[in-house]
Order: sequence, then structure tokens, then C-alpha cells
Amino acid sequence: DTGVSQNPRHKITKRGQNVTFRCDPISEHNRLYWYRQTLGQGPEFLTYFQNEAQLEKSRLLSDRFSAERPKGSFSTLEIQRTEQGDSAMYLCASSQRSIDNEQFFGPGTRLTVL
Amino acid sequence: AQSVTQLDSQVPVFEEAPVELRCNYSSSVSVYLFWYVQYPNQGLQLLLKYLSGSTLVESINGFEAEFNKSQTSFHLRKPSVHISDTAEYFCAVTPYGQNFVFGPGTRLSVLP
Repeated sequence: DTGVSQNPRHKITKRGQNVTFRCDPISEHNRLYWYRQTLGQGPEFLTYFQNEAQLEKSRLLSDRFSAERPKGSFSTLEIQRTEQGDSAMYLCASSQRSIDNEQFFGPGTRLTVL
Repeated sequence: AQSVTQLDSQVPVFEEAPVELRCNYSSSVSVYLFWYVQYPNQGLQLLLKYLSGSTLVESINGFEAEFNKSQTSFHLRKPSVHISDTAEYFCAVTPYGQNFVFGPGTRLSVLP
């Protein structure tokens, strides 16, 4: 399967704990995106990488959030000191650098903070 | 900055009836327009996109959308829906090569 994969699919944690999610993009894609989706809303942009460089971060991304893409392949999104408001679906997408920037999405990681 | 409005949060419709899901956008620059579909417990999948050329674009499963620049709209239509079309539909815009801005989504429920 050459689609975007995300692990884990579900994560339940207690408030104050740290969590880390992983995204493996389509292999030839050089752009990788993270979005957050809450119930009844569309995905909201968090950050994106071109190869290993993090080029943009949304104001939604507080200091407790950090993302890396160390070798320009997979990416990790870490949330420190989780809060109940962090509960959401975290989506990863990848794309080729192309004129329309069509993005291919993974299945998401659903985070529940108790 | 860009924004996307999907006025209908939920649209119930009977099987084989026509449906229209509305999308309006706001942008100070030219944008590309997309419709994504999210089936239950699945990731977002591209349904169709408008880049340039003919303002009417079609998907392989019978959906079509028409770009109307004067009304800044990109409404999605299907002449006859199936139970399997039940899903959440998201309209999205992107300026050239930049990030997507999604609408809040419309939940289409097809009733037997």
C-alpha cells in the first residue's frame, strides 16, 4: 500500500501526559502537512514541511506542540502536557510540489485526553 | 487570507433524489478549489478539483461541481444519490501551492 499511514490510530491519555504521533507519507512526496479536526469542523492547518524543513506553523500550534521530519521522510507530532482541549483527530497529508498542491490524507490519529 | 463557508451542516435526502451541497469562498487572490469526501471511519479522499479551464468538473462516481467566479461559489451536485454516498463532504481552497483552508463540512445522509 502506497498511501499515507498514521500511527497509532487511537490514543487515550491522561491530562498532563505527553503523546507522540507518527505519519509516513507517500514515498515520493516532498511536502507533509499536519491538520487537526474536531467534531463538526473541517480540518484546521497546523504545520507543514517541505522535505525536512518546517516552513509554516499555524497560530493554533502552541508551544506544547512540536513537529519534526528529520530525514525528509516520516514525521512526528508531539504534544506535551496534554489538555482536554487537545482531544481531536490529528490528520497527516502529503503532496508533491505541484501547481495545485493536491494533498493525500492519512486515516488520522484520534486523541482522547481524560 | 481565505475562508470557506458551507451553509448546510446536514443534508438528508432520499435515495435516487438529486442533491446540491453548497460552498462559497472568500479570497483576495486566485485559488484552486477542491471537494473532499470523508466516509465513516476513513480518511479524506479527493472527490474533484477545479484548477482552470472548463468551470464544470466531474468525478468518476457521478458528482459534478461548477465554479462560479462572480458568486465565488463551487457547489457540488449529483442528479441521483445512492445509499453509499452517505458521508461528510468538505469544500477546500488553496492559493497557488499553499495550504488548504477547509469549510466546516456538510453531512450528507441518504435515506432508503
